[in-house]
Amino acid sequence: EVVLAQSPDFQSVTPKEKVTITCRASHSIGKNLHWYQQKPGQSPRLLIKYASQSFSGVPSRFSGSGSGADFTLTINSLEAEDAATYYCHQSSSLPYTFGQGTKLEIK
Amino acid sequence: QVQLVESGGGLVKPGGSLRLSCAASGFIFTDYYMAWIRQAPGKGLEWLAYINNSGSTIFYADSVKGRFAISRDNAKNSLYLRMDSLRADDTAVYYCARGELTLFYWGQGTLVTVSS
Repeated sequence: EVVLAQSPDFQSVTPKEKVTITCRASHSIGKNLHWYQQKPGQSPRLLIKYASQSFSGVPSRFSGSGSGADFTLTINSLEAEDAATYYCHQSSSLPYTFGQGTKLEIK
Repeated sequence: QVQLVESGGGLVKPGGSLRLSCAASGFIFTDYYMAWIRQAPGKGLEWLAYINNSGSTIFYADSVKGRFAISRDNAKNSLYLRMDSLRADDTAVYYCARGELTLFYWGQGTLVTVSS
């Protein structure tokens, strides 16, 4: 099973700051890595697919990069509405797995 | 627009059974794989199972293999999760999602509580 380790677990950030969340896989997974945002009380929402492809309707301040075992989600110019938990997810090999999540708090 | 609506959650005793449903609309159901994912209270996401378009290909996470069964009724645009031998650690919000490799759309979830 591919284990995904996200860092940090928690981050408190100010609006307009640039945020970077990393996801490290226990095995190489190519670009089969996706990012989701989950706001409190809501279901997850797809942000980025296949490491760097933005999903329809996602603000351009969200971007992804990486391949192999190391991936990054970047949020440029953070907004208050970005307060959420972010999860990476791999679909390279079954069973598909998620990272433990990174909670972003807006100061 | 794509809509996924889960139902069937509730309180069940340990060892009991439950069947969850997911009603899909806004897209051609038969064109897509579907999946179930759960989230224990205050915890992260756990991928559980997927089923292909026709229902002929299914895969489960080890944590639910042999206890849970995913199925679909394409005539009713519906996805199901039959859960047997439920345990306290199955307590979670259960989400259905559209997609195989990428989970493009998610339902709002249904809460399953396993407790005596």
